[in-house]
Amino acid sequence: GDSVTQMEGPVTLSEEAFLTINCTYTATGYPSLFWYVQYPGEGLQLLLKATKADDKGSNKGFEATYRKETTSFHLEKGSVQVSDSAVYFCALSGPSGTYKYIFGTGTRLKVLA
Amino acid sequence: DTAVSQTPKYLVTQMGNDKSIKCEQNLGHDTMYWYKQDSKKFLKIMFSYNNKELIINETVPNRFSPKSPDKAHLNLHINSLELGDSAVYFCASTPSGSRTDTQYFGPGTRLTVL
Repeated sequence: GDSVTQMEGPVTLSEEAFLTINCTYTATGYPSLFWYVQYPGEGLQLLLKATKADDKGSNKGFEATYRKETTSFHLEKGSVQVSDSAVYFCALSGPSGTYKYIFGTGTRLKVLA
Repeated sequence: DTAVSQTPKYLVTQMGNDKSIKCEQNLGHDTMYWYKQDSKKFLKIMFSYNNKELIINETVPNRFSPKSPDKAHLNLHINSLELGDSAVYFCASTPSGSRTDTQYFGPGTRLTVL
């Protein structure tokens, strides 16, 4: 079945460091791919998405490119801030049926001043 | 102007009790979901409704019963609560349930079963 695998955390970085959080997926057909962020005590919110191969999603300095050949959607940011500390979830939607999202296990990021 | 709201935010109860969590969205979306997030942050879908019709029912004990009185509301009733039900429950909605839709999450309900 469809699945999402993302790197285990926690990831601890100093402010202004470069961030990569790896995400790979298994799916038949062509899913949409998403990164969601969850700040402490809150629900998840969309960070960025890509709906077809080679699309790049970007938002708030974060980027991820939909790589069909490597079935990956790695999240990157050039210079993290303390306010980026949160849990990041990679997710896919479809293609083996609409209505259903599959989330990765989440990666906790802690940024130190 | 809250998009997806849930009540209550916190729920503490004894084993064996029955409780309900309510969810409402004012986004005009057709599809709503319930997720369970455990203590390790793992997020698992439980149910999904599209226009009041149940379309996803994952392997969830039948003590959990969703109800959608209209497409803006999706409630979750839990009978005979067990310790393992302690978790954060999130409601979410999407415009239509298509694969490109963004999910809009509520703030969560933290359920603690003692």
